[in-house]
Amino acid sequence: DGGITQSPKYLFRKEGQNVTLSCEQNLNHDAMYWYRQDPGQGLRLIYYSQIVNDFQKGDIAEGYSVSREKKESFPLTVTSAQKNPTAFYLCASSPTGTAFGYTFGSGTRLTVV
Amino acid sequence: QKEVEQNSGPLSVPEGAIASLNCTYSDRGSQSFFWYRQYSGKSPELIMFIYSNGDKEDGRFTAQLNKASQYVSLLIRDSQPSDSATYLCAVKIGGGADGLTFGKGTHLIIQP
Repeated sequence: DGGITQSPKYLFRKEGQNVTLSCEQNLNHDAMYWYRQDPGQGLRLIYYSQIVNDFQKGDIAEGYSVSREKKESFPLTVTSAQKNPTAFYLCASSPTGTAFGYTFGSGTRLTVV
Repeated sequence: QKEVEQNSGPLSVPEGAIASLNCTYSDRGSQSFFWYRQYSGKSPELIMFIYSNGDKEDGRFTAQLNKASQYVSLLIRDSQPSDSATYLCAVKIGGGADGLTFGKGTHLIIQP
């Protein structure tokens, strides 16, 4: 079955720690995205990538980093510079070139402890 | 500045009635419009998309687009308790991969 897989489902981060969220897709989609969702805030774009080895900052990129070494994979690192990382993180993918919607992963809920 | 506005609700509708969800957007260059349903604690799932002015029907769902008024809506006929969720409106400018802009969502409650 084609789909997009995020792991882990739940993640706990200590103060000052970097953590990496995994996102893998087997849909052969070129574009991948990371969104953050907070209660009452909707989805906000962190980073996106259209092709391998290239990515762009979204609206709230500060404190986050990404890589796109393979078409299938787009991991997100939440660094210690992100002061309020507790949120629901959603990875998505889509074809490019035409106006398709996204396929979302199941999300990772990150909590600072 | 790209903005997508939705009434946060909650919108309460009796079972079997029509639920009407509304969305306005600020960028006249917007070309593609999407409705996602999100259950509590889950990820969004695409339920409808529309590109052209007018209505588009899919089962119990109808999306309506009016580009002149910068307005898109979603109608749910014969509402069921399982339709209770948050509905997210999303807008895309052009065919590029620079991301969808989402509204904050409308919380819909279908009362049995």
